[in-house]
Order: sequence, then structure tokens, then C-alpha cells
Amino acid sequence: AQSVTQLGSHVSVSEGALVLLRCNYSSSVPPYLFWYVQYPNQGLQLLLKYTSAATLVKGINGFEAEFKKSETSFHLTKPSAHMSDAAEYFCAVSEGGFQKLVFGTGTRLLVSP
Amino acid sequence: GAVVSQHPSRVICKSGTSVKIECRSLDFQATTMFWYRQFPKQSLMLMATSNEGSKATYEQGVEKDKFLINHASLTLSTLTVTSAHPEDSSFYICSASNRDRGAYEQYFGPGTRLTVT
Repeated sequence: AQSVTQLGSHVSVSEGALVLLRCNYSSSVPPYLFWYVQYPNQGLQLLLKYTSAATLVKGINGFEAEFKKSETSFHLTKPSAHMSDAAEYFCAVSEGGFQKLVFGTGTRLLVSP
Repeated sequence: GAVVSQHPSRVICKSGTSVKIECRSLDFQATTMFWYRQFPKQSLMLMATSNEGSKATYEQGVEKDKFLINHASLTLSTLTVTSAHPEDSSFYICSASNRDRGAYEQYFGPGTRLTVT
């Protein structure tokens, strides 16, 4: 069975600092991996996805993530945090295209001035 | 492109009544739609997967007779919470995908907050 572990329910950074949100996955087959962002009382917006192409994936709003098979990780980074990045971030895994997503527990990113 | 809407965005109903939530793909045909439930400050839990014209596939522990899902067209799926109780209060989110888009992506609706009093 697939699973996703997001380390840290809350991450606090200062504006302009590096953002690092951690995600480790477990999958019996080559995974598809996703990062989503959720603002309060809203649905999810896709930040980026890994679908077995390049291991370094660039997404929207300056975010990127690197798929590391040996570490079973797919950490999300952004070089410089903005206040508008404050939100809940979810990592998710699926066992192939169009299959159901299994979500991590989420990480709330707090950005201080 | 790839916009998914949900209606209503918020609904309050009395215990014992039923409520219907609609999920529409506005600019593409959704061959598959998913329904998720999210409790406050928690992650999304998949409730069911529905393919157009077929019966929904429910996840373990989800009551089929309580959460009725219909996916009658390629742009509309509905979730009906029957005989709602306060413990059904939650944030319900749908998503839609289409194999022909080739993007291996689910597009999410904005969610519906259900409060049962």
C-alpha cells in the first residue's frame, strides 16, 4: 500500500528565507508524486508533479521538488519565501496516472515578516 | 482551463435531512471524479471514485447507502449525504480527471462545507 509521510505539521520561516517542506513516500511500484497547496476554506491547487520524467521538477510560484528514489523522498523547496506562501501544503502519491491519490497529513507553512 | 466547480460552497442542514453536493467540470470532460472528505486541520481522505456511467467505488469504511454518488454525465457528479448527522459535518472536496488530457492530474473543486445541526 502507498503512504506519504510529511515531517513537521508546522514550518515557520522568515520572509526571504529558504522554504523546505519534507515528504517521504512508500510505494510498491514507481510512484507519481504531487505537491498541492491549500488556502483556508479552499480546494487544492497543484504546485508540481513528478511522473517519471526529470527528477528535478519545477512548479508554479517558484517552487521546485526533487525526486530521490534512493531516499524515497520528494521534498519541496523555494529559495525565498513570500508572505503569500503561507498556506497548508500536501504531498500526495499515486500508483500511476489517473489512480487515486494518497495524501500526507499536511504541513502548515507560516511566514513571518 | 481545467476548472472544477462545486455547489453549494456552504450548506447547513438539520439532522436527519439529506443534502446534495454538485461537482462540475466546466471546460473539460471528466471521465473520473473523486470525492474527498477533510476534517478540520487534517488531510484529505478519499471517499469514493466514480467513472462516468458506472457505479462508484467506495473506500473501505465509507457507507455506500449514506454517501450516494452519481456520475451520470461527463461533466457532473453528485454526492448526496442521506440522513445527515452532526458527525457528517465536514469539508467535502471533489476532483476530476480525464485520461485524454494525458497530464496524470486531478483538478480540484473549491470544496463544500457541510454543517449538520
